Amino acid sequence: TQLLEQSPQFLSIQEGENLTVYCNSSSVFSSLQWYRQEPGEGPVLLVTVVTGGEVKKLKRLTFQFGDARKDSSLHITAAQPGDTGLYLCAGASRPGAQKLVFGQGTRLTINP
Amino acid sequence: NAGVTQTPKFQVLKTGQSMTLQCAQDMNHEYMSWYRQDPGMGLRLIHYSVGAGITDQGEVPNGYNVSRSTTEDFPLRLLSAAPSQTSVYFCASMRRSVNTIYFGEGSWLTVV
Repeated sequence: TQLLEQSPQFLSIQEGENLTVYCNSSSVFSSLQWYRQEPGEGPVLLVTVVTGGEVKKLKRLTFQFGDARKDSSLHITAAQPGDTGLYLCAGASRPGAQKLVFGQGTRLTINP
Repeated sequence: NAGVTQTPKFQVLKTGQSMTLQCAQDMNHEYMSWYRQDPGMGLRLIHYSVGAGITDQGEVPNGYNVSRSTTEDFPLRLLSAAPSQTSVYFCASMRRSVNTIYFGEGSWLTVV
């Protein structure tokens, strides 16, 4: 059974600080995705990384896929209150796989 | 611009009652899924379908039934509600060969 462990589970920081969220596994994934979920809504896809070592940037968010395709990180620079939410990573065992494995999530709070 | 639509948004059931959570998507996606989300446990797959007439069990299928008579609709039935089924339920759809999942807004279910 493939598992994804996210850390930390909770993070509360001040506006303007930087932070990194990790998503780790002992299994190899074909791709990893990051979702953000706001209260009362479903998760929304932020990015998909598919190549080992790949780095993708989305404004102040930087996503990296580990070289061995077993882990990923999300780094936020100069966090803003609008970044507050639940961040979920999800892995696919093969391209086009419908059954994604989700991490337990990181609840991020950015205080003004 | 509907995407994935779930109803109802909120529901309170008594132990032993049955109910159906409705899900419809208008994107002509082949794959549809139901997840439940509980604190600290991320998203867990209940049942999924790769196309009309085809369904399969996910990680936590006990106590739930599904059917897929059309491409658009994927209802989730709780046969005899139990307090352990108190959760937030998300319906999702995905196009075959593309790992991007589109989630509904969620259904909050409380079983007393």
